[in-house]
Amino acid sequence: DGGITQSPKYLFRKEGQNVTLSCEQNLNHDAMYWYRQDPGQGLRLIYYSQIVNDFQKGDIAEGYSVSREKKESFPLTVTSAQKNPTAFYLCASSPYTGGTDTQYFGPGTRLTVL
Amino acid sequence: GDSVTQMEGPVTLSEEAFLTINCTYTATGYPSLFWYVQYPGEGLQLLLKATKADDKGSNKGFEATYRKETTSFHLEKGSVQVSDSAVYFCALSNSGYALNFGKGTSLLVTP
Repeated sequence: DGGITQSPKYLFRKEGQNVTLSCEQNLNHDAMYWYRQDPGQGLRLIYYSQIVNDFQKGDIAEGYSVSREKKESFPLTVTSAQKNPTAFYLCASSPYTGGTDTQYFGPGTRLTVL
Repeated sequence: GDSVTQMEGPVTLSEEAFLTINCTYTATGYPSLFWYVQYPGEGLQLLLKATKADDKGSNKGFEATYRKETTSFHLEKGSVQVSDSAVYFCALSNSGYALNFGKGTSLLVTP
């Protein structure tokens, strides 16, 4: 089955630690995205990538880093510089034809800082 | 910049009631409009979309019409079910690289 997988589903981090969230897709999509969701809020864009080895900051990139070494994978690292990292993190992908493509979402990772 | 405003919830309805969730947008050009649904603890699923003015998106009994003159994309369903309880997000895409989301509307359908 084609889709997007995120792991782990739940993640606990101690203050001062970096953690990496995994996102993998087998849809052969060019573009991938990371969003953050807080209670009662919409989704906010952290980073996006339109092609391998290239990525751009979104609206709230501070304290996060990404890599795009393979088309299928777009891991997100939450660094100790992120002041309030507890949130639900969603990865998405889209075909990216240069237009307004539909984005498809993974099941999410819930990060809690202890 | 582009933005989406949707009605605040929570919305509570009895089963078989009529549903409307309002969504208006601000954008330059000709954005695509989307409704996504999120069930508890899960990611977002695309519910329907419309890519140009007067298009009607529909899926699973839900409908929404892209109204450029009123910059709206209201979600409707004629008869809701308990299984429709979820959070609904209106979103627009105007650049090909990101979605602008509303804050979401929580719907609870009671038997």
